[in-house]
Parts: sequence; structure tokens; C-alpha cells
Amino acid sequence: EADIYQTPRYLVIGTGKKITLECSQTMGHDKMYWYQQDPGMELHLIHYSYGVNSTEKGDLSSESTVSRIRTEHFPLTLESARPSHTSQYLCASRGRGSNQPQHFGDGTRLSIL
Amino acid sequence: GESVGLHLPTLSVQEGDNSIINCAYSNSASDYFIWYKQESGKGPQFIIDIRSNMDKRQGQRVTVLLNKTVKHLSLQIAATQPGDSAVYFCAEDRSGGYQKVTFGTGTKLQVIP
Repeated sequence: EADIYQTPRYLVIGTGKKITLECSQTMGHDKMYWYQQDPGMELHLIHYSYGVNSTEKGDLSSESTVSRIRTEHFPLTLESARPSHTSQYLCASRGRGSNQPQHFGDGTRLSIL
Repeated sequence: GESVGLHLPTLSVQEGDNSIINCAYSNSASDYFIWYKQESGKGPQFIIDIRSNMDKRQGQRVTVLLNKTVKHLSLQIAATQPGDSAVYFCAEDRSGGYQKVTFGTGTKLQVIP
């Protein structure tokens, strides 16, 4: 079952465009995350949020920004896309308390021409 | 720094045999470990987890073993099926803070019919 949704699933767009990747979850989770993943490779944390109006940068430097105005929504924005941004972007959420696994969306595969 | 790594990038197993996927971690402060399965074109899916106060945990056809002495984690899949073909990630986590999860590089499991 999909309780966390990402749109679009695929996006091919030209350099310089502004892009927003959408992520929504229906589980009421406070914590949400964005990861960048190249095919078959490990996940790199680029942003996370503890809750509404809380956002932090992750381990991997990213030119993207995020916002958390509503609990269920955690969009990621690239102001000016470049070919180096070509990758898969995964959104995840997790519930309160310790020792909770993350729930992942199916990702957005982004290609910048 | 902390790291989570896998010993084998690709594992080929005959259908019906048991599979063992290994993982090493270096941060002794980690107290929660998770295995995820990622099928092509999808996000990681939670399989099983284990807390550091346990050595073994069993699920349906899967078992996770934790050896804190040598900082080693393994995932055992019984009677491997074609549907088990995927990339498997181990991840480590620490209680408290923002609960950042560190993912390993992944092992690709190929099931031979």
C-alpha cells in the first residue's frame, strides 16, 4: 500500500528550469526526509524535517530547498536545474518515538538535459 | 566517521536455496538496524529491523542476526524466490537527536530460476 506519494514519477526537463518535486504522506508522521540516489547506489540524505516549519540540510550538499508548511507535505525545489541534478529523489517519513523504520515513496527520476 | 557497508555487491542464488546478505557497521553507538528491499523502479521497502539489545529476530522467511562484538549484521532469506530479486540495503540508526539513518551501498540479489 502507498501511504507516501511522490509526483511526478519521471521528469525530463531542460537546464535552467525551476522544478518542484512533490511528496505527501497520509500517516501523520512528523519526520520527513529527502534522499538522492543514483541507480543501484546508496541513499544520501539531502534534507529532513522534524515537523511543521522545521527543515534542516542533510549530509550531502544540495542546491535544492525544502519547505514544511503542512505535516503531510514536504516539497523539494530546484530553482535552476542543471545536468548534475540528474538523479533519483526519494522521499521518506517516519513516526514518533525511537526505533521506527522509514516509509519511502517510489521516487522521482529526474533527468536534466 | 560512521559507515555502513556491505561485503558483496552482487549475490546470485538458486531458487529454493537460502540467501545470506551481510553488512558491517562501524558506529558502536548505533542501536537500531533495519533491512530494506528495493525493487527496480520503486522506493526501499521495510523488511525487518532489530534493536541492539537483541541478537536475532525472525520474520516471515527472513531472519536478521546482529553481532555487536564484530559490528556485523546479516539478513537470511529462507527458500529464496524469484520475487526476492532486488537490491537489499542495511541501515543503522541511533536513538535520540534527529535519528539520522545511515544506509549502506546495497547488495543486489539475483535469484536463478
